[in-house]
Amino acid sequence: GDSVTQMEGPVTLSEEAFLTINCTYTATGYPSLFWYVQYPGEGLQLLLKATKADDKGSNKGFEATYRKETTSFHLEKGSVQVSDSAVYFCALSDLEGAQKLVFGQGTRLTINP
Amino acid sequence: GAVVSQHPSWVICKSGTSVKIECRSLDFQATTMFWYRQFPKQSLMLMATSNEGSKATYEQGVEKDKFLINHASLTLSTLTVTSAHPEDSSFYICSARDPWALNEQFFGPGTRLTVL
Repeated sequence: GDSVTQMEGPVTLSEEAFLTINCTYTATGYPSLFWYVQYPGEGLQLLLKATKADDKGSNKGFEATYRKETTSFHLEKGSVQVSDSAVYFCALSDLEGAQKLVFGQGTRLTINP
Repeated sequence: GAVVSQHPSWVICKSGTSVKIECRSLDFQATTMFWYRQFPKQSLMLMATSNEGSKATYEQGVEKDKFLINHASLTLSTLTVTSAHPEDSSFYICSARDPWALNEQFFGPGTRLTVL
């Protein structure tokens, strides 16, 4: 079945550092790809998404590009802030049927001032 | 974005009792809601897909008689954990799909269940 693999955490960085969280996927179809963020005590929020190859999703300074050839959707940010501390989930969804989400294991990010 | 609420946010119960968790879409109608379970430091695992007015579709390995799902209206789905045991302790999260937002799923804040 479809699956998502994220780099293991936790990840700890200093403020203004460059961030990369790796995500790769396996899917039989042609899925949409997502990054969700879970701040402490809150529900998951959609951070960004891409629906086809070479699409770049972006939001709040975060970016991720749908790479079909490498089946990847790595999350990047050029300069992180303390407020970016959260758990980040990569996910995929097929476009047919129930459009269920399949999540990676999550990566806990801590940014120190 | 659309708002999804869950109630209660946390619950502690004795082994053998049943617990009901509510998931509500507050500002949109959701024909489809999803229930997930999240273990500490692990990912969300889909338990079931809840469709308004019909039976839920359970993922492989999820006991439908233990985790009863009812989606009686377009804004409410409930998950009842029957005869709860300590191994059912977990974080339960629901999401609701908004057909007017390109079917994006909006997530509730989750319910922490502890079974003693």
